[in-house]
Amino acid sequence: GESVGLHLPTLSVQEGDNSIINCAYSNSASDYFIWYKQESGKGPQFIIDIRSNMDKRQGQRVTVLLNKTVKHLSLQIAATQPGDSAVYFCAENMPRGDQGGKLIFGQGTELSVKP
Amino acid sequence: DAGVIQSPRHEVTEMGQEVTLRCKPISGHDYLFWYRQTMMRGLELLIYFNNNVPIDDSGMPEDRFSAKMPNASFSTLKIQPSEPRDSAVYFCASSLAGAYGYTFGSGTRLTVV
Repeated sequence: GESVGLHLPTLSVQEGDNSIINCAYSNSASDYFIWYKQESGKGPQFIIDIRSNMDKRQGQRVTVLLNKTVKHLSLQIAATQPGDSAVYFCAENMPRGDQGGKLIFGQGTELSVKP
Repeated sequence: DAGVIQSPRHEVTEMGQEVTLRCKPISGHDYLFWYRQTMMRGLELLIYFNNNVPIDDSGMPEDRFSAKMPNASFSTLKIQPSEPRDSAVYFCASSLAGAYGYTFGSGTRLTVV
């Protein structure tokens, strides 16, 4: 029979409120982190990134915070809009010497924005 | 820029048949990645190429899966023979310089019945 899928963590917010999506990463040697947004039926789309030598980076309506001590990443979305409804993934880059790195994705969080 | 182009968008096949998924990366990108997405396992990296050479195929589930990149503008992921548990969405992504500036295609939804 068909396996039961995992239920993604879900965050439900009111339109206009701020959203905070959290992510724990696994490898203390990871040197680069990215947040992706995935809408239904589409591929993941780049939102914002941060290198490990930074604690905070701001974009348009989005801010990423990095806490290397506890290996935690967060994405803050200001004034959340219905169009922000999607699944959000964090990804960490695990360096591989001179062979570039490979991105390892987290489980994902589903953001639902209520009008 | 047309982005990363994958074909087909949807594929339904019978168990035991060969399936070939195709990807055209962004022109000028030197890294190409194949990912599989399922509800159970999330986004899994299967294999990636740098300058058309496979660098890491440790994520390829078994010998039934193979990937090639004959030139800088084309890659294939082949499953032979296909099984129902291969049903998933397969994404191709390309980048310039490793993990930086990853761009994903729209994916191929594979259903094996």
